[in-house]
Amino acid sequence: EVQLVESGGVLVQPGGSLRLSCAVSGFTFSSYWMHWVRQAPGKGLVWVSRINNDGSSTSYTDSVKGRFTISRDNSKNTLYLHMNSLRAEDTAVYYCTRDVGPIPPTTWFDPWGQGTLVTVSS
Amino acid sequence: QSVLTQPPSASGTPGQRVTISCSGSSSNIGSNYVYWYQQLPGTAPKLLIFRNNQRPSGVPDRFSGSKSGTSASLAISGLRSEDGADYYCAAWDDSLSGPVFGGGTKLTVL
Repeated sequence: EVQLVESGGVLVQPGGSLRLSCAVSGFTFSSYWMHWVRQAPGKGLVWVSRINNDGSSTSYTDSVKGRFTISRDNSKNTLYLHMNSLRAEDTAVYYCTRDVGPIPPTTWFDPWGQGTLVTVSS
Repeated sequence: QSVLTQPPSASGTPGQRVTISCSGSSSNIGSNYVYWYQQLPGTAPKLLIFRNNQRPSGVPDRFSGSKSGTSASLAISGLRSEDGADYYCAAWDDSLSGPVFGGGTKLTVL
């Protein structure tokens, strides 16, 4: 069974840092591009970042560029999101998801993890 | 403000057919596939429709997707109480070089 399990979400003060993890199982992690998507409380889905299968190429939405870094450890089957200079507007549930398009990157995401909540507040 | 535009809410009674629209532009829906995701209350999103109108295995054929020009639609026929959820459209945006989502439509089964 394909599984994605996020962790690392906590309450953090503005300006703080955090690292989210997404542990995957049930598929060959190193063959897939991966994404982070976030959802602020009561709001819609927003794409945050993506990384190619070997970690050599990354991309970010403008609002997190220079503050967030996506990475992966294929030997540990784990995706990461390093978050610095956190702001109140970064408060959200962060989901990791697999890109299953034949020629990534795409918007074909399946499955999604259960999400981890990041709260930025003093 | 989402790049793709969806109505914030929709409703129907059991057995009815409901459609949810998704409007975009030439840089996203007009030139790329549309995907639909279902988010049941308190859960993670789930892929519902891929490549405009294809259903993953396990998704009932009551759900169907279509696309025309810069707009797309999700139709749900034979509405059931368990269809009450938030529905999101998504597409790649060539101008932004990334995925974009609609703001989501909350479907209420009356």
